[in-house]
Amino acid sequence: KAGVTQTPRYLIKTRGQQVTLSCSPISGHRSVSWYQQTPGQGLQFLFEYFSETQRNKGNFPGRFSGRQFSNSRSEMNVSTLELGDSALYLCASSLQGPADTQYFGPGTRLTVL
Amino acid sequence: DQQVKQNSPSLSVQEGRISILNCDYTNSMFDYFLWYKKYPAEGPTFLISISSIKDKNEDGRFTVFLNKSAKHLSLHIVPSQPGDSAVYFCAASARNSGYALNFGKGTSLLVTP
Repeated sequence: KAGVTQTPRYLIKTRGQQVTLSCSPISGHRSVSWYQQTPGQGLQFLFEYFSETQRNKGNFPGRFSGRQFSNSRSEMNVSTLELGDSALYLCASSLQGPADTQYFGPGTRLTVL
Repeated sequence: DQQVKQNSPSLSVQEGRISILNCDYTNSMFDYFLWYKKYPAEGPTFLISISSIKDKNEDGRFTVFLNKSAKHLSLHIVPSQPGDSAVYFCAASARNSGYALNFGKGTSLLVTP
């Protein structure tokens, strides 16, 4: 069974731009969660999607948004990029929700210049 | 505020000996705890978990201990192997917050031959 895939793996943007990251979950998994990893704050929960609905949200500004499609694939979008948005963005999929084992993708490394 | 803390950024252990990784948490609502292992350029991989109704869970060489009164958990690896060298993240979740994972900042374990 293929694991969680994330595209692109690396991305360089400039301040003020917006970015869209993509996550394809493990086949059969309906829940997708997104996390941001930075050296200062560590891994922080962004949001979780299930059946195309945002079910849970972390403490991030509205510039961070996401969506999920009917095939469970998910995208997250960051608008008006700031230098502090430079991070590794990880997505994780699970069968029904975070109470099930979450399987992480390799992440997308975003650099904002 | 960091609700899950791993106070040792790094740990070095000889092959064959026991590795003990520690984790403290502050939120008494956490009822599910997990350990993840992360290699460079990969996403975190689930290792072992424990529910708050238990105080110990074993899986092969890995054992997690939970002390709820002290809000402390630990991961024991016996015997340690060079392939165990990785960053270990402690995570905690609560039913009342949708089981979103709250991660510690990680402990880098080096197992030397």
